[in-house]
Amino acid sequence: DAGITQSPRHKVTETGTPVTLRCHQTENHRYMYWYRQDPGHGLRLIHYSYGVKDTDKGEVSDGYSVSRSKTEDFLLTLESATSSQTSVYFCAISTSGTGPSETQYFGPGTRLLVL
Amino acid sequence: AQSVSQHNHHVILSEAASLELGCNYSYGGTVNLFWYVQYPGQHLQLLLKYFSGDPLVKGIKGFEAEFIKSKFSFNLRKPSVQWSDTAEYFCAVSPIQGAQKLVFGQGTRLTINP
Repeated sequence: DAGITQSPRHKVTETGTPVTLRCHQTENHRYMYWYRQDPGHGLRLIHYSYGVKDTDKGEVSDGYSVSRSKTEDFLLTLESATSSQTSVYFCAISTSGTGPSETQYFGPGTRLLVL
Repeated sequence: AQSVSQHNHHVILSEAASLELGCNYSYGGTVNLFWYVQYPGQHLQLLLKYFSGDPLVKGIKGFEAEFIKSKFSFNLRKPSVQWSDTAEYFCAVSPIQGAQKLVFGQGTRLTINP
């Protein structure tokens, strides 16, 4: 499972509430990613990080922020959750980001329901 | 902008049937190509990937895919499916430079009847 854990695994929250999801890795990989998975859309990249304090936006970053203060942790925050953010959130890690040997490994996912 | 299209949303086959799942992409440059699988209740796992060289790529569990550059396609194949292949399959692309920002297709749900 590539040493990736996500917490919480399930969360129910109310509209307007802040929510933080955590991704933790034990592999000391440089790159970490947050995706959301929705029916009919596959997975879409929200944000990614290429090192401590180095982050960048993905395809669907509006309404989300991220932080990476330690190599092993990548946090995804919904400042004010909306029903459209109900989704399954996956974290992924990779060693160097690119190149023929590069593979992204995915975590188990967090199922978020915003009421 | 990159996009990936998987034409088959739900495929139902019997065991031992042959499988081909379509994947087409749109991107104005060179890409790396991937197929991921998600078994029920599990996280995504890499089936195979293409970076360069032989356009016929072999992956795990007897899967293979062929990159046809002229058609912008990367179809997944398996000559004889098993019940355990029931899963959702995702095609993805990423640019060859920089971070591996995967762009996924919508996914194809594969159901294998015993």
